[in-house]
Amino acid sequence: NAGVTQTPKFQVLKTGQSMTLQCAQDMNHNSMYWYRQDPGMGLRLIYYSASEGTTDKGEVPNGYNVSRLNKREFSLRLESAAPSQTSVYFCASSEAAAGNNYGYTFGSGTRLTVV
Amino acid sequence: GIQVEQSPPDLILQEGANSTLRCNFSDSVNNLQWFHQNPWGQLINLFYIPSGTKQNGRLSATTVATERYSLLYISSSQTTDSGVYFCAVSGGYNKLIFGAGTRLAVHP
Repeated sequence: NAGVTQTPKFQVLKTGQSMTLQCAQDMNHNSMYWYRQDPGMGLRLIYYSASEGTTDKGEVPNGYNVSRLNKREFSLRLESAAPSQTSVYFCASSEAAAGNNYGYTFGSGTRLTVV
Repeated sequence: GIQVEQSPPDLILQEGANSTLRCNFSDSVNNLQWFHQNPWGQLINLFYIPSGTKQNGRLSATTVATERYSLLYISSSQTTDSGVYFCAVSGGYNKLIFGAGTRLAVHP
């Protein structure tokens, strides 16, 4: 009963390097999300995927790309990391269908530092 | 977009005390959730409550959608209740917007 699993848990990148954050859920949820949380702040939506095969931009999509690989997996890619992308990244999933929204389940987060 | 304001920003309690956290939002919503982020950073969904009242143990929540606010009640607080409480709302489909949170510290 893993829920939402994120890898890696910690990462340090140099400016300009690329990396992919992985997220997988085992709850058969339709929708998945990527958020970032900066110190002392709430979470901001980067990208989301309402269902397999679809992705949409959230509040802060610049500098990121996503892939909904299948129903279980939703990855976040930083093509050229910048210090401003230093943050904690959370993946979440929910059982959402047209007209209905349900509670989110979050992963444990990835703490990313860009130097 | 929808604005979410939480109050108070910080709260310090003695173990056993009760508290009320408030979430105001600027527009109609069809999704409102309360989360607890523990000191280790884990986010736990407490309530999915776009309207009405729910209770879970020492926690309860009420959302008055017509007046655009929600309240989270914590009774008989314990040190394990410490952390940050977030309210998040969505007026459309699949775009939860988070407030800045209420940071709670419960002392023994």
